[in-house]
Amino acid sequence: QKEVEQDPGPLSVPEGAIVSLNCTYSNSAFQYFMWYRQYSRKGPELLMYTYSSGNKEDGRFTAQVDKSSKYISLFIRDSQPSDSATYLCAMKDTSGTYKYIFGTGTRLKVLA
Amino acid sequence: EAGVVQSPRYKIIEKKQPVAFWCNPISGHNTLYWYRQNLGQGPELLIRYENEEAVDDSQLPKDRFSAERLKGVDSTLKIQPAELGDSAVYLCASSMTSGDYNEQFFGPGTRLTVL
Repeated sequence: QKEVEQDPGPLSVPEGAIVSLNCTYSNSAFQYFMWYRQYSRKGPELLMYTYSSGNKEDGRFTAQVDKSSKYISLFIRDSQPSDSATYLCAMKDTSGTYKYIFGTGTRLKVLA
Repeated sequence: EAGVVQSPRYKIIEKKQPVAFWCNPISGHNTLYWYRQNLGQGPELLIRYENEEAVDDSQLPKDRFSAERLKGVDSTLKIQPAELGDSAVYLCASSMTSGDYNEQFFGPGTRLTVL
């Protein structure tokens, strides 16, 4: 079993829809939870990060962490065709290691 | 401010040939990472540098892969000889330090195809 599981999609939604992207994990030591967006032929870029549990909002994006369920989510409101990309979750513990563990990524297509 | 620069962007080689990738991190970033991203997968760390020192190369296949970071700035990742299974995107990232949390900034990657 992988430490981080993510549905690869593709996920197709109409423009304006609310998108929900999710990851589950098995390592209870993870404390930092990141969401990266990766456009085709580009490197990943950080969208949001959350430390420990709770919610974080930034514009149309909301990140949620539920450590009791080992489950994290990224919500995109009013989705736009420009949101079409692969979304990668990444996680890290605080043991002193720097290592990010990435999910496989979910491909999202927002249809105009 | 310039981001992480990588070259070449694309490389096609025949198996058993050598290949090298170059990375220039963001100015002032002491920590440099090389990742490999296979098709449909997330990035996986190969090696991390703190300044000139490779502080973690445990995931680097040392029989054929090597890396260097001279003067603690630019870095080169080499594969010799390349195998079919090395086809992937090789990503370079940098951060200010590798402390508890420091955002890693990724370059666009080098897409390697081994025929």
